[in-house]
Amino acid sequence: NAGVMQNPRHLVRRRGQEARLRCSPMKGHSHVYWYRQLPEEGLKFMVYLQKENIIDESGMPKERFSAEFPKEGPSILRIQQVVRGDSAAYFCASSPTGGAYYGYTFGSGTRLTVV
Amino acid sequence: GQQLNQSPQSMFIQEGEDVSMNCTSSSIFNTWLWYKQDPGEGPVLLIALYKAGELTSNGRLTAQFGITRKDSFLNISASIPSDVGIYFCAGQQGAQKLVFGQGTRLTINP
Repeated sequence: NAGVMQNPRHLVRRRGQEARLRCSPMKGHSHVYWYRQLPEEGLKFMVYLQKENIIDESGMPKERFSAEFPKEGPSILRIQQVVRGDSAAYFCASSPTGGAYYGYTFGSGTRLTVV
Repeated sequence: GQQLNQSPQSMFIQEGEDVSMNCTSSSIFNTWLWYKQDPGEGPVLLIALYKAGELTSNGRLTAQFGITRKDSFLNISASIPSDVGIYFCAGQQGAQKLVFGQGTRLTINP
C-alpha cells in the first residue's frame, strides 16, 4: 500500500523560473489537499481539489500559483516566476472522502529552494 | 482567520521524562488532531479528538479535548529517543481544512 507520493523531494529553482510539484494520492483517494510550511512554522492550507475540480482555493496566493488534479495522473501545484519567499516545504495530503475529520494522510513533501 | 497557539515552542528533556504540551485557540474547534513530524518528512497523525472533554490514549501518548473546545493538551510518558521531533496540534476549520499550531520541538538528551 503506497502512501501519498510526492516528487520531487527537493527542488531548486532560480528566481523567475517555474516550479512544478507533483502529488499522487493514496490508492482509492479522490480528494487532495496542498499545504505549505515555512521554516519554523506550522502547515498552512492552500487548496483542496477533487478530480478535475478545485473545491477550495482560499489559501492560494492570488498570483503565480495554480493547482490541478486531472482525471488521469497526479495533482500538480505550479508556481510561476518563483521568488525567494516561495522557498518552503509543500505537502500534499489525500483522503478517501472529503473532509478533515479523520485528519487525512500527508506525503513526505517537496522542499523548494529558490536561489 | 483562526489561529492556534501552541506551547512550549521547544522542550529539552532527559530520556525517561514525561512531556506535556498544549494548544489554545480563541475560537471553537469541533475536532482536534495531534501530529508528529520527523525531520524531512510529512506530519503523521497521532491522536484525533472529537468530543469536548474527551481523553484519548495511544500507547504512551495521551491527549485531551478541552471542555470549552478551545484547547487541547498532549502528554508523552516515559520519553524515548524516537519521540524526538516536532509535534503539531491542528483544529478542523469548516469541513475541509486544518489549522495548525506553530509546533513544539522536542529534543531528548540520552
